[in-house]
Order: sequence, then structure tokens, then C-alpha cells
Amino acid sequence: EDQLVESGGAMVRPGGSLRLSCAVSGFNFDEYDMAWVRQAPGKGLEWVSSINWTGGNIGYADSVKGRFTISRDSAKKVLYLEMNTLRAEDTALYYCVRRARNLVESYFYYYMDVWGKGTTVTVSS
Amino acid sequence: DIQMTQSPSSLSASVGDRVTITCRASQNINKFLNWYQQKPGEAPRLLIYAASNLQSGVPSRFSGSGSGTDFTLTIGNLQPEDFATYYCQQSHTTPRFTFGPGTTVDIQ
Repeated sequence: EDQLVESGGAMVRPGGSLRLSCAVSGFNFDEYDMAWVRQAPGKGLEWVSSINWTGGNIGYADSVKGRFTISRDSAKKVLYLEMNTLRAEDTALYYCVRRARNLVESYFYYYMDVWGKGTTVTVSS
Repeated sequence: DIQMTQSPSSLSASVGDRVTITCRASQNINKFLNWYQQKPGEAPRLLIYAASNLQSGVPSRFSGSGSGTDFTLTIGNLQPEDFATYYCQQSHTTPRFTFGPGTTVDIQ
């Protein structure tokens, strides 16, 4: 079974740092793009960051650019999110997500087909 | 950035109803549109990708349509397990796959 298990969430003070991890199992990690999506309490889904299968194509939401860093370790089959200078508005449940693609009518369409259960980050003084 | 809107933000329906949710993109995204379902306390689940393609394992009462800027998710014969929040997501502008604000379907 394809599985993603997040860890590393905690309560931290504003300005602090955290590193989230996502352990992958059940599929070939090296073949898939990955992403982090967060959900603030009672709010909707927000894409945070993505990294392609080679690690060479990375993107960040404007809200986290310059503060968060996504990375992946193929040997350990782990996705990371390094979070610095944390703010109250970063408080959320952070999901690790697999980004897959399918060829439909000559185009590759991307979607998020496997989700972890999430890890909670709380930024509060 | 491509902005996504959904309507309505919430709706009440009964078991057996046919429900339609609309999603609109701020610019042409062809068919690069996905739909997700999220139940309270659970992670989202992919329902439809490429606007109208049903993800494996998703019941056929779910269907999607549209292209360009306007899309719909239809749930035919609403079942008790379908009461949830539904999100659209554009996948046109990689890697910035933005989500719509969500539509909550609750029991009338």
C-alpha cells in the first residue's frame, strides 16, 4: 500500500524553526514529484511547496518563500520541509502529498493522489 | 497567479439528491482541474483529475465536466458518506497547484 507518514510537527514560538519529515513506503519514491499542502484550523487547503522527482524543480507559495525549504533524500525515502522564521499564520496541519500524472488525450495531467494523515504545527507565544 | 473560486460555499441536500458544485478559474486552464473530497478529521481524497477523469476506486455517481475557466462536479444520487467538503484545484501552472476555497455539502 502506498503510504506517507509525516512527523516533526510541534508547538513553537514565533520566529522559531521546525523540520517536518515524510516517510514514504509502498512505491518508488524516485519516480514521483512530491509536495506539502497545509490546512489552517477550520480553513481550506493551501499548497505550500513542491519538488519534482529529480529535486531539480522546486516551487514555493509566496507566503512561505524565503522561509521554507523543501528537500528529498532518495536513500532514506524521506521528504523534508525545513521551516524557519515561523509566524502565527503558519499554524496548520501539514500534509505530505504525492504528485502523480497521467497521459490524457496527449497531455500529461498532474494531481495529488496519495496523502499522509498530516502533522500539526502550532506557532504561538 | 491563477485564482480559483467555488460556488456555492455550502449547500444542504438530502440523500438521493443530485448535487452540482461549480469551480471557476481566473484564466484559461484547459482541462487542468482536479476535484478532492475531504471529510472531517481526514486527509483529502482525489476524486477527479483532468476535469472529467474518475480516479480509480471512486464511485461512478461522481462526475466532472468543463474546460477553460468553468467546471462542475456533480454527485448523482447523494449518499450519506458524500457529506463532506469538496475542493477544486488547478494543475495548469506547475508547480503552483492552487486550490479553490471549498464547498461544504451537509445534510438538509
